[in-house]
Amino acid sequence: AQSVTQLGSHVSVSEGALVLLRCNYSSSVPPYLFWYVQYPNQGLQLLLKYTSAATLVKGINGFEAEFKKSETSFHLTKPSAHMSDAAEYFCAVRFLGANNLFFGTGTRLTVIP
Amino acid sequence: SAVISQKPSRDICQRGTSLTIQCQVDSQVTMMFWYRQQPGQSLTLIATANQGSEATYESGFVIDKFPISRPNLTFSTLTVSNMSPEDSSIYLCSVERDQNTEAFFGQGTRLTVV
Repeated sequence: AQSVTQLGSHVSVSEGALVLLRCNYSSSVPPYLFWYVQYPNQGLQLLLKYTSAATLVKGINGFEAEFKKSETSFHLTKPSAHMSDAAEYFCAVRFLGANNLFFGTGTRLTVIP
Repeated sequence: SAVISQKPSRDICQRGTSLTIQCQVDSQVTMMFWYRQQPGQSLTLIATANQGSEATYESGFVIDKFPISRPNLTFSTLTVSNMSPEDSSIYLCSVERDQNTEAFFGQGTRLTVV
């Protein structure tokens, strides 16, 4: 079955520390992969996307993600957390032949001053 | 990108009533979707809104409860019918220009049923 797994529903980091949010998917064929951010009372905003080009993808706000086919992973990182990064982050996957995106359960990032 | 206007942004409704949510896009798009995001949870696809024909519903969602219209390539509505407190959620409109691009989202409609 097709699935998207985000490890850790809550992640807390200190301001200035590394941010690492994990995402794994189940598929033998590399899909299209996305990370979205949702701030309180807002819709989802695209952070970055992987569509079979470079495996290291750079996004907005200093975030980047690396596609690792052997690990079926697409983890999101940021070298130095900022208070404004506090939000909910969703990994999303478009599997081969699917019209819509499949979303992970989300990870709430808290940044501690 | 696409600019999506979703209305209303929030509403409090009595059980047994219905609410229609509108989604307007600033340009023509191929795909339009409706998602539900229950409190503290991820997004669940309700249906794909098809222009000029009946929407395609996901398992667990039916047309009688969630009728959807899409009269053209820039507009869609979702109605939540005969509401109960279990329908309290955020409802999100999403659009895609084609199957190989990212999805854009409206701001969402926060529905509370009392």
